[in-house]
Amino acid sequence: QQQVKQSPQSLIVQKGGISIINCAYENTAFDYFPWYQQFPGKGPALLIAIRPDVSEKKEGRFTISFNKSAKQFSLHIMDSQPGDSATYFCAARGGYQKVTFGIGTKLQVIP
Amino acid sequence: GAGVSQSPRYKVAKRGQDVALRCDPISGHVSLFWYQQALGQGPEFLTYFQNEAQLDKSGLPSDRFFAERPEGSVSTLKIQRTQQEDSAVYLCASSFLHQQGPYGYTFGSGTRLTVV
Repeated sequence: QQQVKQSPQSLIVQKGGISIINCAYENTAFDYFPWYQQFPGKGPALLIAIRPDVSEKKEGRFTISFNKSAKQFSLHIMDSQPGDSATYFCAARGGYQKVTFGIGTKLQVIP
Repeated sequence: GAGVSQSPRYKVAKRGQDVALRCDPISGHVSLFWYQQALGQGPEFLTYFQNEAQLDKSGLPSDRFFAERPEGSVSTLKIQRTQQEDSAVYLCASSFLHQQGPYGYTFGSGTRLTVV
């Protein structure tokens, strides 16, 4: 049972373009929605996060948009750079601080 | 230490062998989590400790999996009689205990287990 659905699974964007990753969830008990970035051979690292009572959060080139009524949220990476090439996971926090992850999006930014 | 440390980084086990994976969390982090990440997938929750208490073990796939954190610091994930389907990266994460507000786990680099 996939509680957090993520798409696309892979994404190729040109340098300077906008990368967009979408996620949807079912469990309305989730209370916190982080995004993680993972490079090969490393563990996921927290990138940016949002609470469900906020519709948008921006940190540098990274923006989360959150639609509580639709139970959807997305990550936008502005001015994408080759160094952004990594796998991105959306996630949702539930009981006992347990975080449920999406399947991941492998982003490749080409020069 | 500065980060979450996991050892070994790589482990090759013969099917049926027992393995033990170690996690050293960030000093002072109350919460500790184990996740399993199969190739090309997102991390899947295994178990959660708050200090030495195992509060949630709902993600452990079978009774061959066992985790402990006896002194509320270092944790060990043990897998008995390993099977090929156990091949994955096992990630450990730790965090301060927050009841609300933004926070995030700090993950280790994981142990890649290959069962042959």
